[in-house]
Amino acid sequence: NAGVTQTPKFQVLKTGQSMTLQCAQDMNHEYMSWYRQDPGMGLRLIHYSVGAGITDQGEVPNGYNVSRSTTEDFPLRLLSAAPSQTSVYFCASSYSIIDNEQFFGPGTRLTVL
Amino acid sequence: GQQLNQSPQSMFIQEGEDVSMNCTSSSIFNTWLWYKQDPGEGPVLLIALYKAGELTSNGRLTAQFGITRKDSFLNISASIPSDVGIYFCAVAHLNAGNMLTFGGGTRLMVKP
Repeated sequence: NAGVTQTPKFQVLKTGQSMTLQCAQDMNHEYMSWYRQDPGMGLRLIHYSVGAGITDQGEVPNGYNVSRSTTEDFPLRLLSAAPSQTSVYFCASSYSIIDNEQFFGPGTRLTVL
Repeated sequence: GQQLNQSPQSMFIQEGEDVSMNCTSSSIFNTWLWYKQDPGEGPVLLIALYKAGELTSNGRLTAQFGITRKDSFLNISASIPSDVGIYFCAVAHLNAGNMLTFGGGTRLMVKP
């Protein structure tokens, strides 16, 4: 099992550009989520999904879109990047929404100029 | 959002020493979690606590869920160089998509 994989590892964008951060898991987990990590603020939930076709907003969803067409994949889209979205983004998954053992991917470090 | 106060912010200790860090909240939670994050990696779950007063061990790590359900501590005994990293406490909000709220982290540095 590869666990939770994320691509790319690093990305630099200009303000206004769009891009998609990829996340995939091979553990047949129903629950997947996206967090951003900023210095001194811990991790904050952006969006989550409890299964294919079902997504919902987390604590800081503005500026981000998600979709879940398959159990394995949960991409995060930035429609028009802003400097405030400079952060490290982590994807996580768990067996179900009530399973607290969430497995995190290695992260994507995004810089928006 | 909900604040978790984690202390200390950083610790620089000698190899072999014991380490203690704690986390407090003004609200009650039913689940407390402790994660470790190595540089360039995502957090890894160390210990999950589900019952007030519960004391749980994982090797040299011991964590306790406070009896008031507003705090938790993590102890590491006989530290070794690979214990270096950032330790986060977290609580789970089941009624908010199982969102995890993280503390600010404790950066542990171990001198060989």
